[in-house]
Amino acid sequence: EDQVTQSPEALRLQEGESSSLNCSYTVSGLRGLFWYRQDPGKGPEFLFTLYSAGEEKEKERLKATLTKKESFLHITAPKPEDSATYLCAAGYNQGGKLIFGQGTELSVKP
Amino acid sequence: DARVTQTPRHKVTEMGQEVTMRCQPILGHNTVFWYRQTMMQGLELLAYFRNRAPLDDSGMPKDRFSAEMPDATLATLKIQPSEPRDSAVYFCASGPRGTGANVLTFGAGSRLTVL
Repeated sequence: EDQVTQSPEALRLQEGESSSLNCSYTVSGLRGLFWYRQDPGKGPEFLFTLYSAGEEKEKERLKATLTKKESFLHITAPKPEDSATYLCAAGYNQGGKLIFGQGTELSVKP
Repeated sequence: DARVTQTPRHKVTEMGQEVTMRCQPILGHNTVFWYRQTMMQGLELLAYFRNRAPLDDSGMPKDRFSAEMPDATLATLKIQPSEPRDSAVYFCASGPRGTGANVLTFGAGSRLTVL
């Protein structure tokens, strides 16, 4: 069965304390690994897409990496405004749909 | 900024009532997705369309849920009759033309509470 699993479920960091979020996937016909950010009361907002093992993408304090079975979202020197739920999703070649993991709720305290 | 518009933003109804949620996708996008989000299940795919044709609705309870695209600017999700277990946030998302998986843009969601 196709599956996307994220860990940890919740992560509390002090401002400036770097860490990583994990996304493991088992998906046949994978076409892209997607990262989204979701703030309370809002819809998910696109961050990154990764297509090949070894690929990396960066945006401000975030860097996403991809292996054949996992993706990591590295957060360097986070700030309180980085607090949100981060969702990982696997894309299918057929139809363009995404299946999502449960998310990691990140809280960054000043 | 182009955005996906969903209405209503909030809906409180009683068990057994019909609920209709509407979505206006981004102009020019040809795929539309309906997702449901709960604390227990996370984001679940209910149904999706390409060029207004339904591609997959296997995630929907068929006896009470229906999804349609009357035209390219409107997608609807209906629940009849509604049940308390349908309480959730329903998201619509649209994607651009192209092959394979694409970046989806999500609406702000419709929060449904069924009493």
